[in-house]
Amino acid sequence: DSGVTQTPKHLITATGQRVTLRCSPRSGDLSVYWYQQSLDQGLQFLIHYYNGEERAKGNILERFSAQQFPDLHSELNLSSLELGDSALYFCASSVTSGGAVGSRETQYFGPGTRLLVL
Amino acid sequence: AQKITQTQPGMFVQEKEAVTLDCTYDTSDQSYGLFWYKQPSSGEMIFLIYQGSYDEQNATEGRYSLNFQKARKSANLVISASQLGDSAMYFCAMRERPGNQFYFGTGTSLTVIP
Repeated sequence: DSGVTQTPKHLITATGQRVTLRCSPRSGDLSVYWYQQSLDQGLQFLIHYYNGEERAKGNILERFSAQQFPDLHSELNLSSLELGDSALYFCASSVTSGGAVGSRETQYFGPGTRLLVL
Repeated sequence: AQKITQTQPGMFVQEKEAVTLDCTYDTSDQSYGLFWYKQPSSGEMIFLIYQGSYDEQNATEGRYSLNFQKARKSANLVISASQLGDSAMYFCAMRERPGNQFYFGTGTSLTVIP
């Protein structure tokens, strides 16, 4: 158990709908990262928040948005869902923003939310 | 260009034998970190081992070791004394500066044969 929690574990919805995925980082971790894992794209970085502020954006679609709240939990909002959005969505956390030279700080992953869009 | 390349989609190893999973990376940064994660069929991503670009010695964590060849830009994972529970997907990842984005390879599926 990494200490990172994600809800829900599974989500089935229809095209055009909107869903919210929730992540609680490990106690003491200030950074939250979101990743999408699909069969054809592999594991793709979406977005990084540190202590409530957006730090980096990856291959995140405009239909997707995220935020990190004062209690450090984070939510990933996916709207106007398409069949291709079906994937496993991971949240990961780390203590800092991990930018220090030679930092061996790793990211600890949650169990993921498996999204199926029908 | 791919940041992380894992050329072995699938590997088989006999129980108790050692196995090497290949990973090459591409970066122009001098400071970066290399990570290996294990993903069992249950889906969670488990951190295994880390190697920093300035580390002079190869990283080791129990049965896992990292064969780091900086000039060749390779960071191969070596699993010694394979166990049935080692059957999983293995991902190589890199973090480079600036920013903190992790780049992942496409993974290698390892099957340990009894």
